[in-house]
Amino acid sequence: QSALTQPPSASGSPGQSVTISCTGTSSDVGGYNYVSWYQQHPGKAPKLMIYEVSKRPSGVPDRFSGSKSGNTASLTVSGLQAEDEADYYCSSYAGSFVVFGGGTKLTVL
Amino acid sequence: QVQLVQSGAEVKKPGASVKVSCKASGYTFTSYGISWVRQAPGQGLEWMGWISAYNGNTNYAQKLQGRVTMTTDTSTSTAYMELRSLRSDDTAVYYCAMGGYYDSSGYYYFQHWGQGTLVTVSS
Repeated sequence: QSALTQPPSASGSPGQSVTISCTGTSSDVGGYNYVSWYQQHPGKAPKLMIYEVSKRPSGVPDRFSGSKSGNTASLTVSGLQAEDEADYYCSSYAGSFVVFGGGTKLTVL
Repeated sequence: QVQLVQSGAEVKKPGASVKVSCKASGYTFTSYGISWVRQAPGQGLEWMGWISAYNGNTNYAQKLQGRVTMTTDTSTSTAYMELRSLRSDDTAVYYCAMGGYYDSSGYYYFQHWGQGTLVTVSS
């Protein structure tokens, strides 16, 4: 049950776009269309931002989008805003359990 | 609206047990399940398992098998997570979560989260 691989950090200036990758295997990311992404601000609970690879829950801005190719999923944040600065975690269903990525700290410069 | 309210912070000694509660409201408790996720200080998220509030079936993470027990009290719409034989590396914030597509193994993702419960294991 290895964790999914995410870059530890990412950054961009306000208004720019940034993409965060999440690499797994054919047993998780590549095998199921159940990749999700969570945003977590310091001291807060995670918030679901993307589910089933590319769907957005009600209330999540359309600046957030998700995609997947093979064993790698991606989260793109367009039109970066100061409040997007947070930790982002990907996760995937893996057959009988859920596996998370190690997290990416997104900094808005 | 769905709300998950967890019990307060705990400090335990190595070898002890801890039981964290998660009181649910805003939906029919017995129609869904509850998952548990933990996060060690400065670390990522770790799936611990889930329990069906409908029939009590559980699915635990392999590494926690034998040390964790998840239960529910349908009369109070509350889920519990008990972790035994605590070690220092069990120090973490423990979250309950629900919502999203699920099957008999649990939720595939988590729409609603509790506020978290910090469990500190220290001698």
